[in-house]
Amino acid sequence: DTGVSQDPRHKITKRGQNVTFRCDPISEHNRLYWYRQTLGQGPEFLTYFQNEAQLEKSRLLSDRFSAERPKGSFSTLEIQRTEQGDSAMYLCASSPGTSGPGNTGELFFGEGSRLTVL
Amino acid sequence: AQRVTQPEKLLSVFKGAPVELKCNYSYSGSPELFWYVQYSRQRLQLLLRHISRESIKGFTADLNKGETSFHLKKPFAQEEDSAMYYCALRPYTGRRALTFGSGTRLQVQP
Repeated sequence: DTGVSQDPRHKITKRGQNVTFRCDPISEHNRLYWYRQTLGQGPEFLTYFQNEAQLEKSRLLSDRFSAERPKGSFSTLEIQRTEQGDSAMYLCASSPGTSGPGNTGELFFGEGSRLTVL
Repeated sequence: AQRVTQPEKLLSVFKGAPVELKCNYSYSGSPELFWYVQYSRQRLQLLLRHISRESIKGFTADLNKGETSFHLKKPFAQEEDSAMYYCALRPYTGRRALTFGSGTRLQVQP
């Protein structure tokens, strides 16, 4: 499968613990996005990268959240001191990120990492 | 600021009936509009984009700038159309991330 992969698929943790999610985008995709989705809502934008540069962060991304993409390939999203309100599906997506006719704007999503904070 | 509104949480129709999933947006500039779909146990995927003006799986959507709407339509629903549908927007320039609506679940009954 050459699609976007995310790990772990499910994570149950206790409040106050740290968790880290990993995303492997489609190879050669320059842009990588993190979204959060809670029950009954659409995906909410958290942050995105163009290669290794983090170009935008949502106000939803509090100081407890940090994302990295050190070599412009895979990315990690870390949540420190988790709270029950962090329980959600964390989605990763990638896109070619090129300008011009080849940029259709399509995001290719992973299956998500579901976080449950007890 | 940009906002996407999908007023219906659930739309239930019978097979063969017409379908219209509503999407309204708020954005001061020129937007690109998309419909994404998530079938049961599958990942979120692009259904169609307003720029391409194409019909995918019998679905079409027309951007109406006057009404700031991008409703998704299909003349005859099929059971395999049952899924979650999300409308999404991004600016033509600048911010490249998509803003999604809250989604509409389409149930097509036999």
